[in-house]
Amino acid sequence: EERLVESGGDLVQPGGSLRLSCAASEFTFSSFEMNWVRQAPGKGLEWVSYISNDAKTKYYADSVKGRFTISRDNGKNSLSLQMNSLRAEDTGVYYCAREFARRFSYGRRAWFDTWGQGTLVTVSS
Amino acid sequence: DIQMTQSPSSLSAFVGDRVTITCRASQSINNYLNWYQQKPGKAPKLLIYAASSLQSGVPSRFSGSGSGTDFTLTITSLQPEDSATYHCQQSYTTPTFGQGTRLEI
Repeated sequence: EERLVESGGDLVQPGGSLRLSCAASEFTFSSFEMNWVRQAPGKGLEWVSYISNDAKTKYYADSVKGRFTISRDNGKNSLSLQMNSLRAEDTGVYYCAREFARRFSYGRRAWFDTWGQGTLVTVSS
Repeated sequence: DIQMTQSPSSLSAFVGDRVTITCRASQSINNYLNWYQQKPGKAPKLLIYAASSLQSGVPSRFSGSGSGTDFTLTITSLQPEDSATYHCQQSYTTPTFGQGTRLEI
């Protein structure tokens, strides 16, 4: 069964940095686009960042652009999120999510079909 | 960004009931719409993709419909384990989610 396991969450002071990791197993990691999605306490889901399977294309939510960097190591089946200049509003559970895409007769569609268990990031003094 | 609005924000129902959750997009998204179920302390789980396609392993009492701006998730013959929060998500552009609908059985 495909599996994603996040790590690296911690308590960090405002302005600090943190690096999250996501270890993938039981599927061909290099074939899939990957994302980070976060959830503030008691709130809804917020997409954070995307990386293509070959790492050539990356996208970020406006709320983290310039502060967060997504990367991947296909040789190690690993996804990372480097978070700098952290703010209180970055607090939440961070999930890595695999993006699955399929071509239908009417076009390509994509969805998040596999999620990790999440890792908690708390930004507070 | 495309805004996704779910209604209701929460609802209560009984075992065996049929419930419908609505998701509205701020602009047309064709059928670029997915639904997820999330239980407390757990990761979201994919239920429906491309508005109406049932993910493998998901019970057939879950169904989705809609196109353009208005979408629905319907759960028939509610079971106790369906108690969860349900999220819609558009994949037409940069992904955005609805605020979630909490379902209490």
